[in-house]
This record gives sequence, C-alpha cells and structure tokens, in this order.
Amino acid sequence: TQLLEQSPQFLSIQEGENLTVYCNSSSVFSSLQWYRQEPGEGPVLLVTVVTGGEVKKLKRLTFQFGDARKDSSLHITAAQPGDTGLYLCAGAEHAGNNRKLIWGLGTSLAVNP
Amino acid sequence: KAGVTQTPRYLIKTRGQQVTLSCSPISGHRSVSWYQQTPGQGLQFLFEYFSETQRNKGNFPGRFSGRQFSNSRSEMNVSTLELGDSALYLCASSSIAGVNNEQFFGPGTRLTVL
Repeated sequence: TQLLEQSPQFLSIQEGENLTVYCNSSSVFSSLQWYRQEPGEGPVLLVTVVTGGEVKKLKRLTFQFGDARKDSSLHITAAQPGDTGLYLCAGAEHAGNNRKLIWGLGTSLAVNP
Repeated sequence: KAGVTQTPRYLIKTRGQQVTLSCSPISGHRSVSWYQQTPGQGLQFLFEYFSETQRNKGNFPGRFSGRQFSNSRSEMNVSTLELGDSALYLCASSSIAGVNNEQFFGPGTRLTVL
C-alpha cells in the first residue's frame, strides 16, 4: 500500500509568517491534489498538479509537484488567520483498471493573529 | 449549484446497533465516494459508486456497505457498530468515475458510538 507522509503534522505560526508543508512518498503518482479542511466541514480542493516539476500558484499559495512525481510542497506566503485549517494531500494511483486516491494524514495549521 | 449534502450531521449510537447515512451529490455528478476520517488514521477510503455500481472498494470489513440509487444519491450502512467506528464519515461526489478526479466533499456525518 502506498503511503503519503505529510510534514510537519502540526504548525502554529504568527500572522505574516511564511511556511512550507511537505507531502512525500516513495511511489510515483499520476497526479496529486491538495485540499484544505476547516473544522466541521469536508475538505475543499485547492489544486491538482499533474506534470513533474509543475508549479501552480493560488494567490499566496504556491504548489509544486516533484520532478519524479513522488512528492509535493505547499508554500504559503504571509499567512493569515483565514489560512488556518487541515491541509491534506492526496495522490492518485492506477493499478490496472483500479484507480484510487492515497491520502496523507494532513498538516494542521494554526495562524495566530 | 447546490453542494454535496449529507444527513444526518450528527449521530449517536450504541455498540451493536446499525446506522444508515445518506449523501446527495452535486446535481449531474454520477460518482459518489465514501470516506472515514479519524484523527489517528486520517481519511480512509470506503468505496466508490458510479451509476449504481460499486467501482472501487477500500479495506473495510463487510459490516460497511453502501448503495447508489438511480438519482445518484447514495447511502452507507454500518451494521453491528463498534466503538472504533466513531468517526467523521465524508461523502464526495465527482462528475466522472475514478477517485483521482476532483472530489467535492460534503460536510460529513459525525458518528459517535457509545
């Protein structure tokens, strides 16, 4: 079973700071998705990266897919309290005709005003 | 366009009972996936339904079952509840089959087993 390791598990920072969270695996994924989940809600898709080395930006969030499509990072610039939440990565794997998402445990981010 | 809805939002049951959770996907979405989320295990995939057929299944015991109706609404059933079944159960819909496609999640059903 493929595993996705996310680090750090917990992160508490002050408003205005920058941060990076990581999502790593020993296996190759066809694509990787990042989600943010707020308390009491389901995860919301932020971005999907598909090509090795791909970089996508969403306002203050920058997502990168590793060249070998085994890892990804999420960088937040000038974090705001509204960025608080659980950040989840999910890698898509194909095994024959079977396709499924492999989920990391998430990084719980708290941005303090 | 209305989002994914799940009912009920909260549920308290006792060991040995059974429970049925409901999910209504986004209009036009034919794929519905179910997940169990716990702090220690994260998101665990239960199963995916597409056009009333189970397309993928996770590694859960047979006490966990589901079905999908012709209008794409889905139900999930857990029989003989155990304490370890306490979790947030999430439903996600997608426009096409295959769980690697963009998933739209509902708010979840928080199940507590006493």
